[in-house]
Parts: sequence; structure tokens; C-alpha cells
Amino acid sequence: GAVVSQHPSWVICKSGTSVKIECRSLDFQATTMFWYRQFPKQSLMLMATSNEGSKATYEQGVEKDKFLINHASLTLSTLTVTSAHPEDSSFYICSAKSSGANVLTFGAGSRLTVL
Amino acid sequence: QKEVEQNSGPLSVPEGAIASLNCTYSDRGSQSFFWYRQYSGKSPELIMSIYSNGDKEDGRFTAQLNKASQYVSLLIRDSQPSDSATYLCAVKKGAPTNAGKSTFGDGTTLTVKP
Repeated sequence: GAVVSQHPSWVICKSGTSVKIECRSLDFQATTMFWYRQFPKQSLMLMATSNEGSKATYEQGVEKDKFLINHASLTLSTLTVTSAHPEDSSFYICSAKSSGANVLTFGAGSRLTVL
Repeated sequence: QKEVEQNSGPLSVPEGAIASLNCTYSDRGSQSFFWYRQYSGKSPELIMSIYSNGDKEDGRFTAQLNKASQYVSLLIRDSQPSDSATYLCAVKKGAPTNAGKSTFGDGTTLTVKP
């Protein structure tokens, strides 16, 4: 079945630094990837939709200059949290689907802690 | 009104019982419906997808869809402690194969007691 690898699984960083999270589709071409954020005991909040080769579409209220998304290839999308602050601490999850597929495959998630 | 609403939890059932999880959605244009299971600290995993009115069964899981009532449910028969998790209902406007985004409900936490 479809597999999505997300890395790192957890990261701790100092306030003001930038953190990059990678999402890779291992056995299929991911034409579309989604990035979510989930705070404890809350549901998934979609941050942006990323289509290969084009700019990401951000959800309302998500700062595109703070959360940089790149989807340069059919197997890799990255989310960079720039100038991270403690309030950015959260569980970040990606999901991916191939063209014509009807379900999403989720990565294992990345837990970010900003000190 | 939220786009996708799930019955408030937590839901607790004894082992072997039927767990019933409910979800309503507001957009009549929705065409694709999914149930995901999420264990604490983990990412969601797909349990069921359903696109047509009626029931769809897969092992101990049955998804039920009623588009007229804008309602989708998940039944878990013979509930096991390993079913204890948060269940997320997700709804997508477009056809199953298009690239549209899914909207997730807040989830219902299920606890199955031995």
C-alpha cells in the first residue's frame, strides 16, 4: 500500500530558529500533499494544500511567510516553520494522494517543541 | 455551524459491545466520506471510505451514509480494547478521485473497557 514517510518525528528547537519537516511518498507519486497542525486533544487543522510544481494554497489565518511549503517533486514536500516561537509547538502531519486516488495517506507526524 | 460535526465524547463501551459513532455535515455538495482512527500521539489512519447511500461493511466496521439527512456513521461491532482511539469523520466536496481537501470533524474519543 501507499506509504508516506515524514521526518523528523520529533524536534526541539530554540525560539527564533527555523525548522524544516519533510514529507515523502515512498511508493507513489504524490500530486497533492496536505499539511495539518494538531494541538493536544484537538482535531486536525488544515494549514495548506500543496500541488507539485505550483505554489501552495494556504487556509485562512495561516501565515504563508511563516510556514513555507515547497513541493518541488512528485515525492517530496517540505514545511519550514520560520522563526519558530513556543506557540508554534504542535504536532504537524502531512498527507498525500496521487492523481486519481480517492484516499489520503498520512505521514507519522512531527512533534515540534519550541523552547 | 461547523462544516463537520461529530457526537461529543468521550464514548465508553464494554468489550464486545457495538460502538456507534455519528457525524453530520453541512455541505450538500459533499460526495466523499471517510472515517479515520487516530491513536494518541499518532497520525490518523483510514478505516473506511464511503461514497454512496447505504451501508458499507468491512470486517467489524460498518459505515452508513444518508445524503438526504447529511449523516454518516460508523459502527464497530464486537468492540475490542484495541479500538480505543479517537475517530475522525472527514468529508470532501469533490468526487473521490479529485484533489480536493477534506474537512475533518473534531473527533470522538472511544474507550472500550475490558
